Amino acid sequence: DADVTQTPRNRITKTGKRIMLECSQTKGHDRMYWYRQDPGLGLRLIYYSFDVKDINKGEISDGYSVSRQAQAKFSLSLESAIPNQTALYFCATSDLIGTSTDTQYFGPGTRLTVL
Amino acid sequence: QKEVEQNSGPLSVPEGAIASLNCTYSDRVSQSFFWYRQYSGKSPELIMSIYSNGDKEDGRFTAQLNKASQYVSLLIRDSQPSDSATYLCAVYSGAGSYQLTFGKGTKLSVIP
Repeated sequence: DADVTQTPRNRITKTGKRIMLECSQTKGHDRMYWYRQDPGLGLRLIYYSFDVKDINKGEISDGYSVSRQAQAKFSLSLESAIPNQTALYFCATSDLIGTSTDTQYFGPGTRLTVL
Repeated sequence: QKEVEQNSGPLSVPEGAIASLNCTYSDRVSQSFFWYRQYSGKSPELIMSIYSNGDKEDGRFTAQLNKASQYVSLLIRDSQPSDSATYLCAVYSGAGSYQLTFGKGTKLSVIP
């Protein structure tokens, strides 16, 4: 079984709809992240969480919200989807080992299309 | 604003040649450096990490780090068509940042 899973893998929705993307991990990592990837813009951080009680905004958090339901689960919500949120969304996890290592492991991604 | 710069490519090399991928970063206090490989439509996959100046080798891959020049590179020896992908450079500053900053990636094409 994959260490980091994302559901759904593909989603087509309409403008104004509320959408939730879910991420689960079995790696036992405390840190979880949500990124979006757009052609030519690379990976951009939306939100990150270092534990269940810790949620932080990333570079592009406007229009998104998150929930850390448990150590293993981190959900991303689009309260009212708009077409420019069409992108590939990745969840990632990491476990801090020492002070200079923070390798992130990525889920398979969710392709979201907002019409 | 922390920046990580990569040539977008495409970089084309013949099969069996050495592919050289380069990355520069703006934050002088950056501590950890990563190379990820990403096939089209797939998730990034970690290839190498490097934390100290110098070279680090793993099979056909060698990462090189020069903190004074704020430069990190990835060499792929004996390039194979299966190496054709986009390579992402990522930099972790630590020191309160706690975020990984990614470059936009270099697309590598290995020609059989």
